Amino acid sequence: QVQLQESGPGLVKPSQTLSLTCTVSGDCVSSDNYYCSWIRQPAGKGLEYIGRISSSGSTDYNPSLKSRVTISEGMSKNQFSLELSSVTAADTAVYYCARLYSHSGLDYFDFWGQGTLVTVSS
Amino acid sequence: SSELTQDPAVSVALGQTVRITCQGDSLRYFYASWYQQKPGQAPVLVIYGKNYRPSGIPDRFSGSSSGNTVSLTITGAEAEDEADYYCNSRDTSGYVLFGGGTKLTVL
Repeated sequence: QVQLQESGPGLVKPSQTLSLTCTVSGDCVSSDNYYCSWIRQPAGKGLEYIGRISSSGSTDYNPSLKSRVTISEGMSKNQFSLELSSVTAADTAVYYCARLYSHSGLDYFDFWGQGTLVTVSS
Repeated sequence: SSELTQDPAVSVALGQTVRITCQGDSLRYFYASWYQQKPGQAPVLVIYGKNYRPSGIPDRFSGSSSGNTVSLTITGAEAEDEADYYCNSRDTSGYVLFGGGTKLTVL
């Protein structure tokens, strides 16, 4: 069983950088084909994949966000982080971290954090 | 098309069977997964791949695929199944993508 918990500021000013950390109980990259990932959901809207990081540190990002996103290993072994630069009100959303399985044309997110609301406002 | 298209809303009578669909050209080449999301909660994986259910998901949930369409079927819908449902797969460029979601109402 893997448990994930997001943390970070709930309010970010426009043009600044959003920074979140996901703390994992268990491991989201201990086995082949598993990744630590981020997904977001604006209020009343659908899910949007942000990106993922592998055990080797390689990353993959949503092309629509790629120029502004960095996913990296955290300060401790059981953490990984998300940075989204130059935020606007359109980045206001609940941000989830999740474990992703990806292999041979199959992807699924089997464990999710509870989500954290980030509001972009001055 | 690089999108996964879902009907915005579907309803089903209590105890009846409902099919929620997800369409996209990429579904001819990639598997899909399905998530249930209740208000204020994180999504929960209910079906992945050809038709696999994670531990703890009732067997009234099943998945199928035909051409560019994948389906989630709930056989004998219960009141607790009322939720938003999202499909997930890849787009034609190979990037991970979610469908727009379907709001299921159990009458």
